[in-house]
Amino acid sequence: RKEVEQDPGPFNVPEGATVAFNCTYSNSASQSFFWYRQDCRKEPKLLMSVYSSGNEDGRFTAQLNRASQYISLLIRDSKLSDSATYLCVVLNSGYSTLTFGKGTMLLVSP
Amino acid sequence: EAGVTQFPSHSVIEKGQTVTLRCDPISGHDNLYWYRRVMGKEIKFLLHFVKESKQDESGMPNNRFLAERTGGTYSTLKVQPAELEDSGVYFCASSQASGGGPWTQYFGPGTRLLVL
Repeated sequence: RKEVEQDPGPFNVPEGATVAFNCTYSNSASQSFFWYRQDCRKEPKLLMSVYSSGNEDGRFTAQLNRASQYISLLIRDSKLSDSATYLCVVLNSGYSTLTFGKGTMLLVSP
Repeated sequence: EAGVTQFPSHSVIEKGQTVTLRCDPISGHDNLYWYRRVMGKEIKFLLHFVKESKQDESGMPNNRFLAERTGGTYSTLKVQPAELEDSGVYFCASSQASGGGPWTQYFGPGTRLLVL
């Protein structure tokens, strides 16, 4: 079983749509969770951290369910500029290394 | 403030040759990480420096890979001799370090390595 699993997509949605990505992780000792965004041929950039209580940043909402070892990202009112690959990332115990999922590709069309 | 920089941006070498990748972290960041993404796979951790010391090198694939961070500033990752399966994108990341807490890792643009 992969440490971090994501649906690779692609998710094709029209502008203005709401889209949700899911991710599961296998290591119950994982400490922290993140969503990174990666544009084509660019480096990963932190989109947001994910907290147990759920957190929101503008059009983006992240949720963590530790019992189910499940992380989600909701994007509302999709923009063309949201087109990218979204990486589910887990910080391992010891606050050291990151474990990445393969990413979910989002394509927002006019 | 300058971000993480990596050199070269691309490298094409033949199997058996040596390649050295360089990473300059954000100024003041004690933590420096190397990651790699091979085609079709997820980004994977290679190793972690705290200042000049190797904190964790559990992700290094084999002894053909040698990472150094003399003086605790920039880091180099040497592959010698390179094999076809070493092709991929090598990312460097850095983060601050002080007591407790998972500091954000900032990634460099990566070095695209192609071994022919």
